[in-house]
Amino acid sequence: DGGITQSPKYLFRKEGQNVTLSCEQNLNHDAMYWYRQDPGQGLRLIYYSQIVNDFQKGDIAEGYSVSREKKESFPLTVTSAQKNPTAFYLCASSVGDRYTEAFFGQGTRLTVV
Amino acid sequence: AQSVAQPEDQVNVAEGNPLTVKCTYSVSGNPYLFWYVQYPNRGLQFLLKYITGDNLVKGSYGFEAEFNKSQTSFHLKKPSALVSDSALYFCAVRDPAGGGNKLTFGTGTQLKVEL
Repeated sequence: DGGITQSPKYLFRKEGQNVTLSCEQNLNHDAMYWYRQDPGQGLRLIYYSQIVNDFQKGDIAEGYSVSREKKESFPLTVTSAQKNPTAFYLCASSVGDRYTEAFFGQGTRLTVV
Repeated sequence: AQSVAQPEDQVNVAEGNPLTVKCTYSVSGNPYLFWYVQYPNRGLQFLLKYITGDNLVKGSYGFEAEFNKSQTSFHLKKPSALVSDSALYFCAVRDPAGGGNKLTFGTGTQLKVEL
């Protein structure tokens, strides 16, 4: 089945630790995105990539880093510099043109303990 | 800069009644508009989109949306609501004139359909 896989579904992190969230797609999409969802704030864009080896900061990139070494993979690292990392993280992908919709993974819920 | 506003945090409607979830947008050019639905602890599912052409767009599960350029709106509608429509709905916009592929979402509207 084609789709976007995010892992793990739930993740717990101690304060001061970096953690990496996985996002893999087998849809052959060029563009990939990371969003953060908090109650009452909707989805806010962290980073997006329109092609391999290229990515751009979104609206809330501070404290996060990404890489795009392969077309199908777009991992997100939440660093210790992110002051309030507890949130629901959503990965998405799209064909890459401006007309098509994005497809979403099932999300990773990160909790800092 | 592109932006989307969903003025209602929650909409309540009785099953069988029509529903409307509101969305307004701001872009520098002509917008590409999208509606998504989210069930608890899940990702977003695409419902419909407006790119160009007919202002009334039909989508999945009986939903439709009307694009109104003069009012910069893209309200989601359904003629007869079901309890199973209860979920969180998001409007999103791309601005091809300035935003590239960036997709900006609203804050979401919780729809509650009651018997």
